[in-house]
Amino acid sequence: DAMVIQNPRYQVTQFGKPVTLSCSQTLNHNVMYWYQQKSSQAPKLLFHYYDKDFNNEADTPDNFQSRRPNTSFCFLDIRSPGLGDAAMYLCATSKEARLTNEQFFGPGTRLTVL
Amino acid sequence: AQSVTQPDIHITVSEGASLELRCNYSYGATPYLFWYVQSPGQGLQLLLKYFSGDTLVQGIKGFEAEFKRSQSSFNLRKPSVHWSDAAEYFCARIKAAGNKLTFGGGTRVLVKP
Repeated sequence: DAMVIQNPRYQVTQFGKPVTLSCSQTLNHNVMYWYQQKSSQAPKLLFHYYDKDFNNEADTPDNFQSRRPNTSFCFLDIRSPGLGDAAMYLCATSKEARLTNEQFFGPGTRLTVL
Repeated sequence: AQSVTQPDIHITVSEGASLELRCNYSYGATPYLFWYVQSPGQGLQLLLKYFSGDTLVQGIKGFEAEFKRSQSSFNLRKPSVHWSDAAEYFCARIKAAGNKLTFGGGTRVLVKP
């Protein structure tokens, strides 16, 4: 089945230690999104890629970076994780960036910062 | 700014009873609205969406939602809930540029036996 895969499902890192979260998709979608969801809150968009074009949200901290080496993979890099970065990170994809295109979500990676 | 509000943070319902989750949106001539469900520790699954046309939208898992422009609402309903419906439900809308979803705060549904 075509899907959005996130690895690992659970990630523990230390305060200040760089961490990378991975997302891959078999849907061949053009757009990939990263959302941050803190406990008991709604998901919040961090950034998205339309093909190779990177689009950062205005309020996304510089500590968060992303890479998309090819259509299938997208990575979220947190350069110096703080305790406040502990959250569920959700990856999503859509075929195009049109209003009517559904976003398909992966299962998420839960990040713990010690 | 375009926003989505879910007035109820928690709802507890008995199994077999009906369920209605409220969602209100602000601004936007033609809102594109969605309901997503998130089971504990899982990603988001789309239940249904409204773009235009018939204001009563049927979704998966027996859910439906009704778009009411006059009330700026897009409430989600299910006639008879199952224990497996216990989850968090998010209403969302799309921003015009970039296909960006803006979510409401979510409603956590607990199902009593």
